This record gives sequence, structure tokens and C-alpha cells, in this order.
Amino acid sequence: NAGVTQTPKFQVLKTGQSMTLQCAQDMNHEYMSWYRQDPGMGLRLIHYSVGAGITDQGEVPNGYNVSRSTTEDFPLRLLSAAPSQTSVYFCASSPVGGGSGNTIYFGEGSWLTVV
Amino acid sequence: GENVEQHPSTLSVQEGDSAVIKCTYSDSASNYFPWYKQELGKRPQLIIDIRSNVGEKKDQRIAVTLNKTAKHFSLHITETQPEDSAVYFCAAPATGGNTPLVFGKGTRLSVIA
Repeated sequence: NAGVTQTPKFQVLKTGQSMTLQCAQDMNHEYMSWYRQDPGMGLRLIHYSVGAGITDQGEVPNGYNVSRSTTEDFPLRLLSAAPSQTSVYFCASSPVGGGSGNTIYFGEGSWLTVV
Repeated sequence: GENVEQHPSTLSVQEGDSAVIKCTYSDSASNYFPWYKQELGKRPQLIIDIRSNVGEKKDQRIAVTLNKTAKHFSLHITETQPEDSAVYFCAAPATGGNTPLVFGKGTRLSVIA
């Protein structure tokens, strides 16, 4: 049982490039989300999904795109990378929304640097 | 939407002493309050949570208390050990129900041996 798997773990991008952070979970969780973590800023929600085919914006969605074609996968796309997107990205999943009292399981994180 | 504030941002304690981290929230309808621990370079992991129908919950050396009237909840760690050194995050539901969690900005706890 792998839990939540994120790839890549480390990535360096040039300004203006695009890329996709992959996230997959094998726990049959309906709820998936992406957070970014910056020093002193905590974990900020980028996008989330309550099930296949349904996505919604979080606190900091600009510059990112998501889709949820299957229950297992929730990729995060950076459309045109900017230095302000240098961060650690965490994918997370849970049976239902974290606000309902279910444990959220995080992936190991993806360290992204935009130069 | 929910706003979660966490204090202090850094905390240093001597090994064996107690540590307390406090969070306040804005939405009186919020009913679930978890705490996550993140060790250096690792993912956040749930360590304890509390629902709004109880005032306190304990799990060995850690406890969480909730004051619904004042809209704050606190993490208490007793008999601290070096392995307690980490960043701790509190959280609350964004708008209640089946919604994402909103996290505080974190507290970096250092336990000095």
C-alpha cells in the first residue's frame, strides 16, 4: 500500500516553462488536494477535488491548473512557471473533506525551484 | 471563510519541560480541529484531533484543549523529548462540512537537551 505518491521529488524549471506535478493515491479516497508550503506561510491550499470530474479553487490558485479524470490521480499543472512558484508542493488525500473529521494523508512533497 | 492564527511561530523549551501552542479560529460553525506534526524534510502527519463536542483529548504526552466560546484550541506537549522537535500545524475546516482544511502558519518547536 503506497499511500499518496508524488513525482518528481525535485525539479528545477526556467521562468516561463510549464510542467506537471503528478499525484496518485491507492486508498480509493474521494478527496484530493494540493497545498504549497513556503517559509513562515504554513500550508496554503491551491486546488482540491471532491471526486472524479470535480475540482475547485483554494486560497492560491493563480498560475496552476488541475483535472481529476480518475479517482486515483490528481495532477497539478504549472502553466508558465514564475520565481514566485518556488515552493514545496504537497498532494493530499482523504476519504472525504478534512473538515469532516477524516485524517488527511500527505505525499512526500515535491521541491520546485524556478530560476 | 475560516481564518486560523497560530502562536507562537517559534518555541524553544528544555527537555522535560512542557510546550503549549495556541490557535484561534474565526468561524463559530467549525467543528473539527486537528494538529499535524512535520519533521524536517518530511510530510505533515496527524498527531491528534478534537471535535467540538468535547473540551479536551489526551494521547500519552500530548493533549488538545478546545474553548468554543473563545474560539481557540491549544496543543499541549508534556515531558518534551528531542524527538518532539518539529513544526506543528493546527487546522480547521474552511467552511465546515465536506471542505478542505485551512492550516495555521506553523510553530517551530525546538527541544533543547
